[in-house]
Amino acid sequence: QVQLVESGGGVVQPGTSLRISCTASGFTFSNYGMHWVRRSPDRGLQWVALILPDGDNTDYADSVKGRFTISRDNLKNTLYLHMNSVTADDTATYYCAREGASWSGSDAFDIWGQGTMVTVSS
Amino acid sequence: DIQLTQSPSSLSASVGDRVSITCRAGQSVANYLNWYQWKPGQAPRLVIYGASTLQNGVPTRFTGSGSGTSFTLTISGLHPDDFATYFCEQSYSSPRTFGQGTKLEIK
Repeated sequence: QVQLVESGGGVVQPGTSLRISCTASGFTFSNYGMHWVRRSPDRGLQWVALILPDGDNTDYADSVKGRFTISRDNLKNTLYLHMNSVTADDTATYYCAREGASWSGSDAFDIWGQGTMVTVSS
Repeated sequence: DIQLTQSPSSLSASVGDRVSITCRAGQSVANYLNWYQWKPGQAPRLVIYGASTLQNGVPTRFTGSGSGTSFTLTISGLHPDDFATYFCEQSYSSPRTFGQGTKLEIK
């Protein structure tokens, strides 16, 4: 069964750090680009970051660039998002999403996790 | 960033109805427009990619059309399982952006 399961969310204070994870199963994780997307009542859906299959190429939304780092461990089938210097604006539910394989003709997010909630509050 | 505007923001319809949701882009995204279905407590589900290609396993009552800046998701013959929130998303350029969503409710 193809599945993504996020973990690691919680309540954190402004200015601190948090790492959230996404564990993949049911497919060859190392073949796919992976993304983080967040959703909040105030801002709706916002793309956060991308990492290509090899892990060497990444891209970030301007709002998180320099603070967040996306990484992956292809041996552990796990995607990470390291969040530093968090602010209240980072409060959201964070979803990992798989990008369609290059050979499929689709670059849409074809598999999503159910999300992990991050609340930044003092 | 490419802004996506969906309309309507909410829609009430009955089982068996035909409904359409529109997504307009602030600039051309060619056919790099995707549609997702989202139900509370569930992971989002890809419905349409490339503006008009049905994702595997999605019923054929879902169709997508459009190119450039104007796109439509149509559901012909609503089933009870179709009542959800639908989002459009562009994969034409970074950063990828989403519409604000259309909530499809049972009348």
